[in-house]
Amino acid sequence: QSVLTQPPSVSGAPGQRVTISCTGSSSNIGAGYDVQWYQQLPGTAPKILIYADDNRPSGVPDRFSGSKSGTSASLAITGLQAEDEADYYCQAQDSSRGGPIFGGGTRLTVL
Amino acid sequence: QLQLQESGPGLVKPSETLSLTCAVSGGSITTNNYYWGWIRQPPGKGLEWIGTIFYSGTTYYSPTLRTRVTMSVDTSRNQFSLRLRSVTAADTALYFCARHLDGPYGGFFNYWGQGNLVTVSS
Repeated sequence: QSVLTQPPSVSGAPGQRVTISCTGSSSNIGAGYDVQWYQQLPGTAPKILIYADDNRPSGVPDRFSGSKSGTSASLAITGLQAEDEADYYCQAQDSSRGGPIFGGGTRLTVL
Repeated sequence: QLQLQESGPGLVKPSETLSLTCAVSGGSITTNNYYWGWIRQPPGKGLEWIGTIFYSGTTYYSPTLRTRVTMSVDTSRNQFSLRLRSVTAADTALYFCARHLDGPYGGFFNYWGQGNLVTVSS
């Protein structure tokens, strides 16, 4: 059972917008800690997609955006493309777990 | 371009010690403000932080694995290592090394190795 809760799966058609939620608590997201998002394509290592809630590393398309409110965070993907099909993980610090924690992951299917 | 490469056995017997090394190239492991971490992913499951080390040798471990984990760093070889004792089948996973920016308790992992699959089986 992950401390950060994500939906197991989401789906959308090409060109559509999808969002992935990450629900935490007062010991992690609600404490104001930064939220990160990673994309893991099949058979590859995770790749940082969003850091510090809403910042994109260079090279990440602006179709990807992050937001945070209260004890939850969200990743939005607009203009969905076939190559976006992957697993997505949120990550944050947790004061009661002694280090970084990850959400359980969400599989995005592009219909 | 920074690159990380894990190496180590792919098969470990139950109750024995898992040992992995992460070789860093394209940059120095002693660069300030950078920590170095290990993360694992059981087959078909999510990511779990194992621990993080600073080039000075200071370590930070996951509370759930602390009693079995030892991390070390070899600055002369620009690499760092993981040892996990008394392994069981539950330790079967893909083990990643990564650069931990703004660690050790928060921050994020911005460069990753390709992963080393370790299976615990007799």
